Amino acid sequence: EIVLTQSPATLSLSPGESATLSCRASQSVSSSLAWYQQKPGQAPRLLIYDASNRATGIPARFSGSGSGTDFTLTISSLEPEDFAVYYCQQRSNWPLTFGGGTKVEIK
Amino acid sequence: EMQLVESGGGLVQPGGSLRLSCAASGFTLRDFVMNWVRQAPGKGLEWVSYISRSSSSIYYADSVKGRFTISRDNAKNSLYLQMNSLRAEDTAVYYCAREIGGWSDPWGQGTLVTVSS
Repeated sequence: EIVLTQSPATLSLSPGESATLSCRASQSVSSSLAWYQQKPGQAPRLLIYDASNRATGIPARFSGSGSGTDFTLTISSLEPEDFAVYYCQQRSNWPLTFGGGTKVEIK
Repeated sequence: EMQLVESGGGLVQPGGSLRLSCAASGFTLRDFVMNWVRQAPGKGLEWVSYISRSSSSIYYADSVKGRFTISRDNAKNSLYLQMNSLRAEDTAVYYCAREIGGWSDPWGQGTLVTVSS
Protein backbone atom coordinates (compact mmCIF):
# COMPACT_ATOMS: atom_id res chain seq x y z
CA GLU A 1 0.00 0.00 0.00
CA ILE A 2 1.28 3.46 -0.89
CA VAL A 3 1.36 5.73 2.13
CA LEU A 4 0.87 9.45 1.56
CA THR A 5 2.30 11.73 4.23
CA GLN A 6 1.05 15.32 4.31
CA SER A 7 2.79 18.16 6.03
CA PRO A 8 2.34 20.22 7.98
CA ALA A 9 -0.68 18.89 9.83
CA THR A 10 -1.85 22.45 10.46
CA LEU A 11 -0.96 25.69 8.72
CA SER A 12 -1.90 28.95 10.44
CA LEU A 13 -2.01 31.83 7.99
CA SER A 14 -3.76 35.14 7.38
CA PRO A 15 -5.94 36.01 4.37
CA GLY A 16 -3.78 37.22 1.52
CA GLU A 17 -0.82 35.07 2.49
CA SER A 18 0.48 32.22 0.40
CA ALA A 19 0.07 28.58 1.50
CA THR A 20 2.36 25.70 0.58
CA LEU A 21 1.16 22.18 1.38
CA SER A 22 3.26 19.05 0.91
CA CYS A 23 2.36 15.46 0.11
CA ARG A 24 5.03 12.77 0.04
CA ALA A 25 4.43 9.25 -1.28
CA SER A 26 6.14 6.14 0.09
CA GLN A 27 6.92 5.10 -3.50
CA SER A 28 6.60 6.74 -6.88
CA VAL A 29 3.07 7.49 -8.07
CA SER A 30 4.29 9.22 -11.23
CA SER A 31 1.78 12.06 -11.75
CA SER A 32 -1.21 10.08 -10.47
CA LEU A 33 -2.02 12.40 -7.61
CA ALA A 34 -4.94 14.67 -6.81
CA TRP A 35 -5.78 17.29 -4.20
CA TYR A 36 -9.17 17.72 -2.56
CA GLN A 37 -10.56 20.48 -0.36
CA GLN A 38 -13.00 19.74 2.44
CA LYS A 39 -14.86 22.33 4.49
CA PRO A 40 -16.62 21.47 7.78
CA GLY A 41 -19.82 19.52 7.21
CA GLN A 42 -19.23 19.29 3.47
CA ALA A 43 -18.08 16.63 1.07
CA PRO A 44 -14.60 16.84 -0.42
CA ARG A 45 -14.18 18.75 -3.66
CA LEU A 46 -11.65 17.97 -6.37
CA LEU A 47 -9.14 20.81 -6.82
CA ILE A 48 -6.15 19.41 -8.72
CA TYR A 49 -5.79 16.18 -10.70
CA ASP A 50 -2.85 14.47 -12.36
CA ALA A 51 -0.60 16.50 -10.04
CA SER A 52 -0.92 19.85 -11.77
CA ASN A 53 -4.25 20.24 -13.58
CA ARG A 54 -6.96 22.40 -12.06
CA ALA A 55 -10.43 20.86 -11.96
CA THR A 56 -13.34 22.66 -13.57
CA GLY A 57 -14.22 25.90 -11.83
CA ILE A 58 -11.18 25.97 -9.55
CA PRO A 59 -9.62 29.43 -9.25
CA ALA A 60 -6.17 30.06 -10.67
CA ARG A 61 -4.76 30.81 -7.20
CA PHE A 62 -4.67 27.03 -6.67
CA SER A 63 -1.76 25.25 -8.31
CA GLY A 64 -0.20 21.84 -8.01
CA SER A 65 3.26 20.59 -8.82
CA GLY A 66 5.50 17.58 -8.44
CA SER A 67 5.91 14.03 -9.69
CA GLY A 68 7.24 10.76 -8.40
CA THR A 69 7.14 11.00 -4.62
CA ASP A 70 7.02 14.72 -3.78
CA PHE A 71 4.05 16.96 -4.48
CA THR A 72 3.02 20.48 -3.55
CA LEU A 73 -0.27 22.34 -3.48
CA THR A 74 0.14 26.11 -3.49
CA ILE A 75 -2.56 28.65 -2.76
CA SER A 76 -1.11 31.95 -3.95
CA SER A 77 -3.21 34.37 -1.91
CA LEU A 78 -5.59 32.92 0.64
CA GLU A 79 -9.20 33.97 0.43
CA PRO A 80 -11.52 33.54 3.45
CA GLU A 81 -13.24 30.60 1.75
CA ASP A 82 -9.92 28.72 1.37
CA PHE A 83 -9.60 27.92 5.06
CA ALA A 84 -10.32 24.21 5.06
CA VAL A 85 -8.71 20.78 5.17
CA TYR A 86 -6.79 19.58 2.12
CA TYR A 87 -6.18 15.95 1.22
CA CYS A 88 -3.94 14.38 -1.40
CA GLN A 89 -4.87 11.06 -3.04
CA GLN A 90 -3.01 8.64 -5.29
CA ARG A 91 -4.40 6.28 -7.91
CA SER A 92 -1.15 4.75 -9.10
CA ASN A 93 -1.63 1.50 -7.18
CA TRP A 94 -4.45 -0.33 -5.46
CA PRO A 95 -5.67 0.38 -2.90
CA LEU A 96 -6.42 4.00 -3.55
CA THR A 97 -5.02 5.96 -0.63
CA PHE A 98 -5.38 9.42 0.86
CA GLY A 99 -3.00 11.47 2.92
CA GLY A 100 -3.90 12.39 6.47
CA GLY A 101 -4.79 15.96 5.54
CA THR A 102 -3.51 19.47 6.18
CA LYS A 103 -5.74 21.93 7.95
CA VAL A 104 -5.32 25.53 6.79
CA GLU A 105 -6.62 27.72 9.59
CA ILE A 106 -6.94 31.45 10.11
CA LYS A 107 -4.13 32.90 12.15
CA GLU B 1 -26.81 19.95 -12.29
CA MET B 2 -24.88 16.78 -11.49
CA GLN B 3 -25.80 15.42 -8.09
CA LEU B 4 -25.28 12.33 -5.96
CA VAL B 5 -27.51 11.66 -2.98
CA GLU B 6 -26.71 8.92 -0.49
CA SER B 7 -29.25 7.29 1.79
CA GLY B 8 -29.61 4.27 4.04
CA GLY B 9 -27.33 5.22 6.90
CA GLY B 10 -28.30 4.93 10.52
CA LEU B 11 -27.60 3.25 13.84
CA VAL B 12 -26.91 -0.48 13.74
CA GLN B 13 -25.63 -2.95 16.32
CA PRO B 14 -22.27 -4.67 15.90
CA GLY B 15 -22.66 -7.65 13.62
CA GLY B 16 -25.63 -6.09 11.87
CA SER B 17 -26.19 -5.09 8.25
CA LEU B 18 -27.07 -1.97 6.30
CA ARG B 19 -27.52 -1.20 2.63
CA LEU B 20 -26.49 2.20 1.40
CA SER B 21 -27.85 3.69 -1.79
CA CYS B 22 -26.53 6.48 -3.97
CA ALA B 23 -28.90 8.09 -6.47
CA ALA B 24 -27.39 9.96 -9.38
CA SER B 25 -29.05 12.82 -11.22
CA GLY B 26 -27.93 15.20 -13.93
CA PHE B 27 -25.80 12.54 -15.61
CA THR B 28 -26.02 8.93 -16.75
CA LEU B 29 -24.53 6.65 -14.13
CA ARG B 30 -23.69 3.85 -16.59
CA ASP B 31 -21.12 6.10 -18.27
CA PHE B 32 -18.98 6.37 -15.15
CA VAL B 33 -16.89 4.36 -12.73
CA MET B 34 -18.02 4.86 -9.13
CA ASN B 35 -16.39 4.69 -5.71
CA TRP B 36 -17.40 4.63 -2.07
CA VAL B 37 -15.19 6.56 0.36
CA ARG B 38 -15.71 6.88 4.09
CA GLN B 39 -14.64 9.24 6.84
CA ALA B 40 -14.69 8.28 10.49
CA PRO B 41 -15.71 11.09 12.88
CA GLY B 42 -12.92 13.66 13.07
CA LYS B 43 -10.65 11.57 10.85
CA GLY B 44 -9.38 11.54 7.30
CA LEU B 45 -10.69 9.94 4.13
CA GLU B 46 -10.54 6.20 3.48
CA TRP B 47 -11.33 4.62 0.12
CA VAL B 48 -13.76 1.69 0.50
CA SER B 49 -14.71 0.26 -2.88
CA TYR B 50 -14.64 0.72 -6.66
CA ILE B 51 -16.93 -0.54 -9.41
CA SER B 52 -16.42 -0.23 -13.14
CA ARG B 53 -19.12 0.90 -15.55
CA SER B 54 -20.28 -2.61 -16.38
CA SER B 55 -19.53 -4.05 -12.91
CA SER B 56 -16.86 -6.26 -14.50
CA SER B 57 -14.13 -4.86 -12.23
CA ILE B 58 -14.69 -4.46 -8.50
CA TYR B 59 -12.16 -3.68 -5.78
CA TYR B 60 -12.35 -3.38 -2.01
CA ALA B 61 -10.18 -2.05 0.75
CA ASP B 62 -8.76 -4.87 2.87
CA SER B 63 -10.63 -3.47 5.87
CA VAL B 64 -14.02 -4.31 4.29
CA LYS B 65 -13.22 -7.20 1.96
CA GLY B 66 -15.54 -10.15 2.52
CA ARG B 67 -18.03 -8.04 4.45
CA PHE B 68 -19.08 -5.28 2.02
CA THR B 69 -20.46 -5.66 -1.50
CA ILE B 70 -20.64 -2.87 -4.05
CA SER B 71 -23.18 -3.02 -6.86
CA ARG B 72 -24.95 -0.78 -9.31
CA ASP B 73 -28.20 -0.66 -11.22
CA ASN B 74 -27.54 1.46 -14.25
CA ALA B 75 -31.19 1.33 -15.28
CA LYS B 76 -32.10 2.97 -11.97
CA ASN B 77 -29.09 5.32 -12.06
CA SER B 78 -28.15 4.01 -8.64
CA LEU B 79 -25.13 2.67 -6.76
CA TYR B 80 -25.26 0.49 -3.66
CA LEU B 81 -23.09 -0.70 -0.80
CA GLN B 82 -24.26 -3.75 1.14
CA MET B 83 -22.51 -3.79 4.49
CA ASN B 84 -22.59 -6.96 6.61
CA SER B 85 -20.90 -7.99 9.86
CA LEU B 86 -20.55 -4.34 10.82
CA ARG B 87 -17.99 -3.35 13.43
CA ALA B 88 -17.54 -0.27 15.58
CA GLU B 89 -14.64 0.79 13.37
CA ASP B 90 -17.01 0.98 10.38
CA THR B 91 -18.65 4.02 11.98
CA ALA B 92 -18.22 6.83 9.46
CA VAL B 93 -19.82 9.11 6.94
CA TYR B 94 -20.01 7.18 3.69
CA TYR B 95 -19.68 9.13 0.45
CA CYS B 96 -20.33 7.94 -3.06
CA ALA B 97 -18.30 9.64 -5.76
CA ARG B 98 -18.28 9.63 -9.52
CA GLU B 99 -14.93 8.97 -11.11
CA ILE B 100 -13.94 11.15 -14.05
CA GLY B 101 -10.51 10.95 -15.62
CA GLY B 102 -9.61 8.63 -12.75
CA TRP B 103 -10.52 11.08 -10.00
CA SER B 104 -13.54 11.50 -7.75
CA ASP B 105 -15.77 14.36 -8.81
CA PRO B 106 -18.40 15.13 -7.66
CA TRP B 107 -19.10 13.54 -4.29
CA GLY B 108 -22.43 13.09 -2.58
CA GLN B 109 -23.19 14.80 0.72
CA GLY B 110 -22.63 11.56 2.62
CA THR B 111 -24.68 9.33 4.89
CA LEU B 112 -23.70 8.57 8.50
CA VAL B 113 -23.38 4.97 9.63
CA THR B 114 -23.06 4.42 13.38
CA VAL B 115 -22.23 0.94 14.66
CA SER B 116 -22.93 0.74 18.37
CA SER B 117 -24.80 -1.33 20.91
